Amino acid sequence: AQKITQTQPGMFVQEKEAVTLDCTYDTSDQSYGLFWYKQPSSGEMIFLIYQGSYDEQNATEGRYSLNFQKARKSANLVISASQLGDSAMYFCAMREGFYNQGGKLIFGQGTELSVKP
Amino acid sequence: SQTIHQWPATLVQPVGSPLSLECTVEGTSNPNLYWYRQAAGRGLQLLFYSVGIGQISSEVPQNLSASRPQDRQFILSSKKLLLSDSGFYLCAWSGGSQPQHFGDGTRLSIL
Repeated sequence: AQKITQTQPGMFVQEKEAVTLDCTYDTSDQSYGLFWYKQPSSGEMIFLIYQGSYDEQNATEGRYSLNFQKARKSANLVISASQLGDSAMYFCAMREGFYNQGGKLIFGQGTELSVKP
Repeated sequence: SQTIHQWPATLVQPVGSPLSLECTVEGTSNPNLYWYRQAAGRGLQLLFYSVGIGQISSEVPQNLSASRPQDRQFILSSKKLLLSDSGFYLCAWSGGSQPQHFGDGTRLSIL
């Protein structure tokens, strides 16, 4: 069965430093997608970054980058130059099946990131 | 651009009462639509998804049902709420291979 594991329930980082949030996944599919979402205390889920299983380059979006290691089945999120506004829950997710089959997302349990001034 | 609307933002209901949460998407056609529930401090659990009008797939057997009466409308319902139905409900949409985009959510408290 497909599964996403986030082993860090909570993380602290000093403002302006970089932080890595861990995510490992388990799937027998050859084609899949990996996502990171941010959930502030207000509750909305904000899409951050996407990595396809066939993408050879690690995805980057501004201060966010995804360290994709396919053989190790890991998809860690790296946030550079942390800001106070980065304090939130972060969820790793994997898309199960193709979009025309529903494209369902399986979520990890999340990591709560706190940025210290 | 595409937008997703979900309402109400908060809801307090007595046990045994009915429920109807509505979600609509603008700016796209034939989206995939999803209902998730999130317990406090936990990840999201997929409840239902739909790839077209009238097509509903249920992921978890429970006290809830979903309907898609129009292309861009997705409704979550219950005939009789249970205490265990409390939680944060999120609607999401996706188009093609794009990531899912979420509404602002509904905080449901059952008394």
